[in-house]
Amino acid sequence: EIVLTQSPGTLSLSPGKRATLSCRASQSVSSNYLAWYQQKRGQAPRLLIYGASSRATGIPGRFSGSGSGTDFTLTISRLEPEDFAVYYCQQYGTSPGSFGQGTKVEIK
Amino acid sequence: QVQLVQSGPEVRKSGASVKVSCKASGYTFSTYYIHWVRQAPGQRLEWMGIINPSGGSIKYAQKFQGRVTMTRDTSTSTVYMELSSLRSEDTAVYYCARGERPSITMIVVGPDAFDIWGQGTMVTVSS
Repeated sequence: EIVLTQSPGTLSLSPGKRATLSCRASQSVSSNYLAWYQQKRGQAPRLLIYGASSRATGIPGRFSGSGSGTDFTLTISRLEPEDFAVYYCQQYGTSPGSFGQGTKVEIK
Repeated sequence: QVQLVQSGPEVRKSGASVKVSCKASGYTFSTYYIHWVRQAPGQRLEWMGIINPSGGSIKYAQKFQGRVTMTRDTSTSTVYMELSSLRSEDTAVYYCARGERPSITMIVVGPDAFDIWGQGTMVTVSS
């Protein structure tokens, strides 16, 4: 099973700042089938990015995904108050798929 | 709007079974696979399996083989996930989620990105 490791565990930033989140896979992600989700307390995850770099429907342009192979990045260009949450990466190229442990983006 | 609505919280004893429902609306039920994902306290999100609402394809993650059964009722656009032989480690929030890719494009049945999620169903297993 492919293990996804996210870093950092916690990111403390002020609104308006740029956030860069990393997701590293233990082996290459097939077809770059890598997704990013945002989860707020008590809510279901929300799809932000699929296929490593495609924004999901309704997701603001400040969210962008990049990377290939084993190294992927989610960038939030300017943090809005509603962006403070936990972010997960997921690979779905190799069954059974797997999720990272999450990065918490908190207000500094 | 497109949504998945799940049944309410459940409490079970160890060794029992639980069945969670997920009702789809706002889109053509047969055109997207439905997946089940769980989130246990302090654990990573975990994919449990996939069902084709139009019939035929069902695949379970190996970890849950023999304990999970996924079914669907096309007349009510509802899918079900039943987990048996419950143990304390099964205490989790269980989510149904729609696969991002239309089923007609899925060459291999398996995990996908999930673009629509149910609100989650808390299942608590007590000894």
